[in-house]
Amino acid sequence: DVKVTQSSRYLVKRTGEKVFLECVQDMDHENMFWYRQDPGLGLRLIYFSYDVKMKEKGDIPEGYSVSREKKERFSLILESASTNQTSMYLCASSLREQYFGPGTRLTVT
Amino acid sequence: EDQVTQSPEALRLQEGESSSLNCSYTVSGLRGLFWYRQDPGKGPEFLFTLYSAGEEKEKERLKATLTKKESFLHITAPKPEDSATYLCAGSRGSNYKLTFGKGTLLTVNP
Repeated sequence: DVKVTQSSRYLVKRTGEKVFLECVQDMDHENMFWYRQDPGLGLRLIYFSYDVKMKEKGDIPEGYSVSREKKERFSLILESASTNQTSMYLCASSLREQYFGPGTRLTVT
Repeated sequence: EDQVTQSPEALRLQEGESSSLNCSYTVSGLRGLFWYRQDPGKGPEFLFTLYSAGEEKEKERLKATLTKKESFLHITAPKPEDSATYLCAGSRGSNYKLTFGKGTLLTVNP
């Protein structure tokens, strides 16, 4: 079974803090993705990576950055968290179909 | 711009009452149409991939079909445990970046 794990299920941070969300996959997948999911807006792609050290912006990259130093690990970084970044964050990995992690519900106060 | 539109937004069925969910897409050079199931507070769970018009795939009470403009997820004799949000997504890139619809919230009452 494909396994995608995310470092936290729930996270509460203060405005202005630097936030790291970690994602690890165990299937040697080339592609990894970060989404956020908000009611009424659906899943929106923040960044994706198709190889180690490679990254591409998705639809809503502003306020985020990513890091992929190893094939199995893809990190999402909020340089200075803001309240409008309160959301459910989902990581996925794929060869063809994407497999998702359980999600991190981030609250920024 | 790629777009995926799902309808209805919400669907309430009685147990055993079959129905279909619709996913219409405008994805240039579609390379795959994906269906996912998502339970509250969890990540989406992969169900099916369809690659070409006319293709069908089945899993238990679910059957997904694909035409050149839309896909359907048919649910036969649903049970309460089929209650979930069903997401549809299209892909056109070799990196398999997906464009998601907003989902259909299915509720099956006993």
